[in-house]
Amino acid sequence: QSVLTQPPSVSAAPGQKVSISCSGSSSNIGNNYVSWYQQLPGTAPKLLIYDNNKRPSGIPDRFSGSKSGTSATLGITGLQTGDEADYYCGTWDSSLSVVVFGGGTKLTVL
Amino acid sequence: EVQLVESGGGLIQPGGSLRLSCAASGFSVSSNYMSWVRQAPGKGLEWVSVIYSDGTTHYADSVKGRFTISRDSSKNTLYLQMDSLRAEDTAVYYCARDHSAGWGYWGQGTLVTVSS
Repeated sequence: QSVLTQPPSVSAAPGQKVSISCSGSSSNIGNNYVSWYQQLPGTAPKLLIYDNNKRPSGIPDRFSGSKSGTSATLGITGLQTGDEADYYCGTWDSSLSVVVFGGGTKLTVL
Repeated sequence: EVQLVESGGGLIQPGGSLRLSCAASGFSVSSNYMSWVRQAPGKGLEWVSVIYSDGTTHYADSVKGRFTISRDSSKNTLYLQMDSLRAEDTAVYYCARDHSAGWGYWGQGTLVTVSS
């Protein structure tokens, strides 16, 4: 059972938009920055979003992040088949003094 | 260019010990936050431990008292000493470096299998 809650799976057609939610509490998302990661099959995770809504260099602006209260959302527009991957949210939990990740969401581009 | 290369994984019997290494290049491990994150087969990411630039360390409850994170600035290498290993420690272990409040650089991972 992960501290951060994500939907197990989402799906959408190529070219469409999808949102992936990440729900937590005041001790984690509510008072700390959220980051998002993409993990393609058989590869290491890749940072997509940091500090809630910033993109590292090289990450296309099709990927966006937002945070409101104790929840965060990853948005992906213009879906491509290459976006099929597992997506994870992560943050610091100030009460537990640990890094926490969501359980992951598998994105299928139909 | 930032690069992280893990090594030291393998097959180990329950109760045994193993030390993972993460050789870094392109930056100083002592000047950044460094973490170990693991992923059991078919499962999600599980954070294991972090060491801050000031030397402060934190551990997941699942490994506290059994695992120790450390670094050697002269070798620019991060370590994870794993003792009293259990079957549930079987996973791919990644080292990661911070990028602001995120983990921006990851190694390729090293597989640890705990089995008799």
